Amino acid sequence: AQTVTQSQPEMSVQEAETVTLSCTYDTSESDYYLFWYKQPPSRQMILVIRQEAYKQQNATENRFSVNFQKAAKSFSLKISDSQLGDAAMYFCAYLSRRATNKLIFGTGTLLAVQP
Amino acid sequence: ETGVTQTPRHLVMGMTNKKSLKCEQHLGHNAMYWYKQSAKKPLELMFVYNFKEQTENNSVPSRFSPECPNSSHLFLHLHTLQPEDSALYLCASSQGRSGLAAQETQYFGPGTRLLVL
Repeated sequence: AQTVTQSQPEMSVQEAETVTLSCTYDTSESDYYLFWYKQPPSRQMILVIRQEAYKQQNATENRFSVNFQKAAKSFSLKISDSQLGDAAMYFCAYLSRRATNKLIFGTGTLLAVQP
Repeated sequence: ETGVTQTPRHLVMGMTNKKSLKCEQHLGHNAMYWYKQSAKKPLELMFVYNFKEQTENNSVPSRFSPECPNSSHLFLHLHTLQPEDSALYLCASSQGRSGLAAQETQYFGPGTRLLVL
């Protein structure tokens, strides 16, 4: 069974600085998707960024980018120029191409942004 | 705003009560999901519906009963719940099976915070 591990329960970053959130996953499959979701205190889960495993190029969305290392099964999220609104719980998630309804989540990393 | 709404946002119920959670998506999606989110635990998938047909029941106790009357609406009927069922219940939707990441992406509602006394 696939698993997703986020080893940093909490992280803190200064406003305007850069922070990297770690995520590793375990799978025997070669075709899958990876996601980062953000859940602010209001609790609505919002998609931050997604990556298809067959794409070698790392996904980017404005200030958010990933470092996808397929062989190492690592999928870290980098937030550049951190803003107060980035404070939230961040979840890494895995989705198999063969079982596309079963999104598997990590336990999350709570990010605090210091002014 | 993700295009997925849930009501009520907060619910307190006794163990003998019957209540229902409602989810509605305005995205034209074909798949809908119920998740349970408890503190310190990963999100747990409960039920999946594709084109109104239930395709996944992740060993959920029978005191939780889902209903999907059409592709836009999803209900979770609750009865004789236990205090350990207190959690945030999230609804999500996706386009459905397509092989494309954009269409497999799940979009979440704001959740219903449930407290069982």
